[in-house]
Amino acid sequence: DSGVTQTPKHLITATGQRVTLRCSPRSGDLSVYWYQQSLDQGLQFLIQYYNGEERAKGNILERFSAQQFPDLHSELNLSSLELGDSALYFCASSVRAGGYQETQYFGPGTRLLVL
Amino acid sequence: QQQVKQSPQSLIVQKGGISIINCAYENTAFDYFPWYQQFPGKGPALLIAIRPDVSEKKEGRFTISFNKSAKQFSLHIMDSQPGDSATYFCAASNVWNQFYFGTGTSLTVIP
Repeated sequence: DSGVTQTPKHLITATGQRVTLRCSPRSGDLSVYWYQQSLDQGLQFLIQYYNGEERAKGNILERFSAQQFPDLHSELNLSSLELGDSALYFCASSVRAGGYQETQYFGPGTRLLVL
Repeated sequence: QQQVKQSPQSLIVQKGGISIINCAYENTAFDYFPWYQQFPGKGPALLIAIRPDVSEKKEGRFTISFNKSAKQFSLHIMDSQPGDSATYFCAASNVWNQFYFGTGTSLTVIP
């Protein structure tokens, strides 16, 4: 158990809908990362937050957004969902925003299925 | 554009054999190279990692070999066991802790 929690575990929704994925980082970790894992694209970095502020952006679509709250939990919002958004979404956390050998600890993921 | 290229896509090894997974990168700004192990239904978990100023790091049966000039690194699993059957990802990160993952290698160790 990494100490990172994600809810829900599974999510089934329809195209065009909007969903919110939630992540609670390990105790003491200030940085949260979101990743999308699909069969054809592998593990893709989406976005990073550090202590409530956006720190880095990866391959995140404009239909997606995220935020990190004062209690350090984070939410990933996916809107106007398309079939291709079906994937595993992972959250990871680390102590700092960057630096030498900073390990990221991954949560168990949320499996999203868009029908 | 895949920042980290990983091969092979899948690997089948006999119990007791050596599993070797290779990765290559282009961006010289990368300064940390971890390997993650992922079991079905679970998130990736850090297995072993290396800095670019070290050519080899060994932890138990797992060894990373790093070739800075060739911009390549590899994971060797000695005495492979059925419990090692999982998907392995190499990754590279920069000073901003932005991680770029390889596409993964599905390892099957046959008893």
